[in-house]
Amino acid sequence: QKEVEQNSGPLSVPEGAIASLNCTYSDRGSQSFFWYRQYSGKSPELIMFIYSNGDKEDGRFTAQLNKASQYVSLLIRDSQPSDSATYLCAVEGSARQLTFGSGTQLTVLP
Amino acid sequence: EAQVTQNPRYLITVTGKKLTVTCSQNMNHEYMSWYRQDPGLGLRQIYYSMNVEVTDKGDVPEGYKVSRKEKRNFPLILESPSPNQTSLYFCASSPRTGDETQYFGPGTRLLVL
Repeated sequence: QKEVEQNSGPLSVPEGAIASLNCTYSDRGSQSFFWYRQYSGKSPELIMFIYSNGDKEDGRFTAQLNKASQYVSLLIRDSQPSDSATYLCAVEGSARQLTFGSGTQLTVLP
Repeated sequence: EAQVTQNPRYLITVTGKKLTVTCSQNMNHEYMSWYRQDPGLGLRQIYYSMNVEVTDKGDVPEGYKVSRKEKRNFPLILESPSPNQTSLYFCASSPRTGDETQYFGPGTRLLVL
């Protein structure tokens, strides 16, 4: 059974701070990793995807991947109250299946 | 507008009464999938389909059926719903290959009494 683990939180950060979200996965053969944001009662929306070891930056978001440690993270710089949501880590399997972590609830305090 | 639609969005039913939740996408995607989301458990895959007439079980298929007779549609069928199927359901679609990830529908909130 493939597993994806996230700190369930909740995580609170002040406005303007860096929020750090972490995820570990069990399948060493996994190649594709995704971060989704989900507002309460809404569907998940893609924030970032990363395939290669290292960092990938997109605006205020940076995804970090370390395949040797089976670890993926998401950094949100200059956090805004509108970033308050649940963040889901997902790992793609061989047949396009996504295995999701349980999510980390982030609150950005004004 | 590229989208995944689900109907109904909200449904209250009783144990044992068969129901179908429809899912449709207008992006010509080969891959479609159903997930359920429960508090503390995240999204769990129920069934997926790689193309027309090709379906396979996900992590939690018990109590559900699917069909894929047309590329755009992927209905989820609960033959005899039970209270433990009360959940938030999402349909998703994506191309079979490439960098695009899955696009999610708006969700269907189901309550089985």
